[in-house]
Amino acid sequence: EDKVVQSPLSLVVHEGDTVTLNCSYEVTNFRSLLWYKQEKKAPTFLFMLTSSGIEKKSGRLSSILDKKELSSILNITATQTGDSAIYLCAVEGGGADGLTFGKGTHLIIQP
Amino acid sequence: DVKVTQSSRYLVKRTGEKVFLECVQDMDHENMFWYRQDPGLGLRLIYFSYDVKMKEKGDIPEGYSVSREKKERFSLILESASTNQTSMYLCASSPTGTGRYQPQHFGDGTRLSIL
Repeated sequence: EDKVVQSPLSLVVHEGDTVTLNCSYEVTNFRSLLWYKQEKKAPTFLFMLTSSGIEKKSGRLSSILDKKELSSILNITATQTGDSAIYLCAVEGGGADGLTFGKGTHLIIQP
Repeated sequence: DVKVTQSSRYLVKRTGEKVFLECVQDMDHENMFWYRQDPGLGLRLIYFSYDVKMKEKGDIPEGYSVSREKKERFSLILESASTNQTSMYLCASSPTGTGRYQPQHFGDGTRLSIL
């Protein structure tokens, strides 16, 4: 059974801090790892990673995949209160073709 | 922009009722998915579909069925609703593209309460 574990489950930091969110996985026939940001409604897509060691960046957010360690990190620099959300990690594997999600990291940015 | 629309934002039904949740996407995506989201459990896949009239069970299909009569529409059916099906339901779609390595796009969700 495919498994995705995120850590920490919750995190409270101050505006301007840098945060690192972790995602580890066990899947058969790994295809891709995705990061989503979920605020009040549906998850919105952030990154998709398929190749190890290649960093993807979008503004203050970046993510990298380590296939050897079966893990990925999501970094957010110079955090803002608008970054407060649940960050979901999901993996597409060889099982059911939907995504297997982690439980999410609830990030709270305090002013 | 991809638009995935779920017919109801909030829904309240009674135990034993047959419940229909509708999802429509406007980007001609081949793949459509239904998930439920529960606190502490994350998102779990119920059913998915690769094409019209095609369906596959996900991780937790018990108590649910689906229908895909048209490419843009994917319906989730609770045959006889029970209180343990109270949850947030999310629909998603994705194109097939090269391989299936395409991100899924989600609707806003339907918060279903079964009384």
